[in-house]
Amino acid sequence: DTGVSQDPRHKITKRGQNVTFRCDPISEHNRLYWYRQTLGQGPEFLTYFQNEAQLEKSRLLSDRFSAERPKGSFSTLEIQRTEQGDSAMYLCASSLATNTGELFFGEGSRLTVL
Amino acid sequence: DAKTTQPPSMDCAEGRAANLPCNHSTISGNEYVYWYRQIHSQGPQYIIHGLKNNETNEMASLIITEDRKSSTLILPHATLRDTAVYYCIVVAGGTSYGKLTFGQGTILTVHP
Repeated sequence: DTGVSQDPRHKITKRGQNVTFRCDPISEHNRLYWYRQTLGQGPEFLTYFQNEAQLEKSRLLSDRFSAERPKGSFSTLEIQRTEQGDSAMYLCASSLATNTGELFFGEGSRLTVL
Repeated sequence: DAKTTQPPSMDCAEGRAANLPCNHSTISGNEYVYWYRQIHSQGPQYIIHGLKNNETNEMASLIITEDRKSSTLILPHATLRDTAVYYCIVVAGGTSYGKLTFGQGTILTVHP
């Protein structure tokens, strides 16, 4: 499969624990995006990378959230000291570095914080 | 980015054309109209995008009014697998084209 892959697909954790999600983009795509989607809402932009550089972060990305893309390939999104409000689907997408075009989304990682 | 307005839900009979409207009256000259859809429990899927001219691909057609204040996504022969939430998004071209603002979208239900 040559699409965007995310791991794990599901994660259940207790409040206060740290969690990490991984995203592997389509290999030739140098842009990578993270979105969050809560139940009944559309996805919300969190952050994006061009190669290894994090170019923009949403105000939604609190200090407990950190994203990295160390070698410009896969990316990780870590949430520290999880809260119940962090329960959501975390979506990753990738694209080429052009001025328009499509984003290719993964299937998402669903987080449930108890 | 300009905001969009879509009906919350629509129905369509299988095999008929589904016409999904979108209003974007505050769109700027450098902003594109994008359509994505999201089938239950899956990530969003790109459908089509355009700036001024009408566009067609293997999935759908996009009709943009001359004043660019509204558009219509047309699925020519809807199938049950087209049941999804459809999002109309307006976003500027350039490096931020991937920073999408999803609204509530239109829930399209295709029935036999």
